[in-house]
Amino acid sequence: DAGVIQSPRHEVTEMGQEVTLRCKPISGHNSLFWYRQTMMRGLELLIYFNNNVPIDDSGMPEDRFSAKMPNASFSTLKIQPSEPRDSAVYFCASSFTGQSTDTQYFGPGTRLTVL
Amino acid sequence: GESVGLHLPTLSVQEGDNSIINCAYSNSASDYFIWYKQESGKGPQFIIDIRSNMDKRQGQRVTVLLNKTVKHLSLQIAATQPGDSAVYFCAENIKDTGRRALTFGSGTRLQVQP
Repeated sequence: DAGVIQSPRHEVTEMGQEVTLRCKPISGHNSLFWYRQTMMRGLELLIYFNNNVPIDDSGMPEDRFSAKMPNASFSTLKIQPSEPRDSAVYFCASSFTGQSTDTQYFGPGTRLTVL
Repeated sequence: GESVGLHLPTLSVQEGDNSIINCAYSNSASDYFIWYKQESGKGPQFIIDIRSNMDKRQGQRVTVLLNKTVKHLSLQIAATQPGDSAVYFCAENIKDTGRRALTFGSGTRLQVQP
């Protein structure tokens, strides 16, 4: 079985440029999560979707960040314009939301470096 | 706000010994807990989970213990191997209608000495 797929695995860009990160969740999962991981702040939830609908975006840093989930098999996280402080590893995770045991499965992450 | 935290940032053990990684949580409304393992350059990998109506759950070489009285969670790894070296995170699901996001602790690095 394919796990969560993220692309690109590494992204290096210059300050001010637009960055788009992509995620394909595990087939059959109905919840998708975007996290950011840094040494200083650890793993932070940015936003999560249930059945393609954004449920909680309170973790999105600011208006420069936006996320979409046009269908059950694809999601994007966009940063425009990017800044050096956005440098981090961005993880996508998916789960099947049933009762109260929603195990999240993580992708390999995208390491973003903003110069 | 309430959060999940870890007592020890780094744990060093000898190969073959048992490891115990601890986690304290403060939200009594949490009803589900997960341990993840993260190796360098990879995403967190699910290890084992436990619901709040349980005190103990066992997997292959791993056991999770939950003490709701003191809000403490631990991960025990039997016969620790070099491949167990990684950062371990506990995470909690805070019971909230319609919300299924996890809150992660800061992590503990496990170093296995040969």
